[in-house]
This record gives sequence, C-alpha cells and structure tokens, in this order.
Amino acid sequence: DAGVTQTPRHEVAEKGQTIILKCEPVSGHNDLFWYRQTKIQGLELLSYFRSKSLMEDGGAFKDRFKAEMLNSSFSTLKIQPTEPKDSAVYLCASSLARDNSGNTLYFGEGSRLIVV
Amino acid sequence: GDSVTQTEGLVTLTEGLPVMLNCTYQTIYSNPFLFWYVQHLNESPRLLLKSFTDNKRTEHQGFHATLHKSSSSFHLQKSSAQLSDSALYYCALSDRWTQVVGQLTFGRGTRLQVYA
Repeated sequence: DAGVTQTPRHEVAEKGQTIILKCEPVSGHNDLFWYRQTKIQGLELLSYFRSKSLMEDGGAFKDRFKAEMLNSSFSTLKIQPTEPKDSAVYLCASSLARDNSGNTLYFGEGSRLIVV
Repeated sequence: GDSVTQTEGLVTLTEGLPVMLNCTYQTIYSNPFLFWYVQHLNESPRLLLKSFTDNKRTEHQGFHATLHKSSSSFHLQKSSAQLSDSALYYCALSDRWTQVVGQLTFGRGTRLQVYA
C-alpha cells in the first residue's frame, strides 16, 4: 500500500510569494493532519480534518495558512504570503479513526520550505 | 489545554548504557492514550509504541514504557543503547475515545545521540 505522499519535497520561495503544498493520505484513512516541524518548536499542528471536515485550524496559523481537503484522497496547504519565519519542514500525516484503538499517525516524508 | 513535557533538548549516551527519556503530561481526559514516535535523520516520524493501560509495560523494538496515571508519566526506556537509536523522540497524547478527537498533542521532542 502506498503511504502518505507529499509534494514538493523541497521548495524555495521569495518573501511574499504564495506556495501550495500537496498531500495524498493513505488510502482509506479518514483523519488528515498538517504539521509544521522546526528544531525550536517541534511539531506544531496547523490543520486537522476528519472525513474532509475541518476539525482544527491551528489557531495562531489562521491568518496566512489555509488547508483544504478537496476530496478524501487529496489535501493542500497554502501559505500566503510567505515570510522567512515560515522556513520549516511541513509534514502531512493520516490515520484511520477507530474506536478505542489509539490512532497511529502515518507521516509523509515532508516538504522542506525555505523562504528567502 | 493538554500538554506534554519531555526531557529537554539533547541526551547523549555511550553505547551500551541504559536509555531513559522522560515524558509527563497534563490532560482533562480520564482515558489518555500515550505514544512515542521516533524520527531518524532524514526520515519522517513513525510510531514506536503506545499505551492506554495504567501500570502495564508496553514493549517494542527493545524499548519499553509504562503509563502511570498516578504520576501522569510515560517514560521511554531501553536497557542498552545502540548507535542506531540515535534519533529524535516525540512523546504524544490523545484521548482514547477517538470518535471525538483524533488529534495528538506532541511534546517538543528529545534528541538522543549515542556514541561508540
């Protein structure tokens, strides 16, 4: 089975640009997460979808970050406009929500963004 | 809100010595689910082990952890460190009743570096 697929793997953007990161979750998974990973903050939740419905929009990330889930097998994360402080690895993860089992997250390989 | 606190920063060990990475948590959930994720260099995080049972040891790949609700702890241990254990370790928390909330609260991560 295919795991979580993220594209692009690397992106360099100029300050003020709009970038779109893409994610294909594991087939059949109904939870999808976007995280930002930095050395200082670790993993920060940006967005969380359950069965395509937005459950959590990441609070502090609302203004320039927008995640969408157009169908159950594809999600995008738009950052607009980008700022140098957005330089990080963006991880997409999916899981299958089941009763009492403790969802295991399956992470993609990440999109490394550098904003100059 | 919920929070997870891990051993800060970097833990360095000589090969063969025991490993202990601390994890404590705060939560409103009466049935917390605790996880350890491991991330090796240039890889994405993956599940190492998980538990929701109080005072029961959980083991995987030589590592073990026991959830102690009385002390809100879920420390990760291994009897003898190996060079290949060098990685970033995240402790995470969710609610066992995943119909309501599927997202995890992550700690900031602890980097383990094992030397020969």
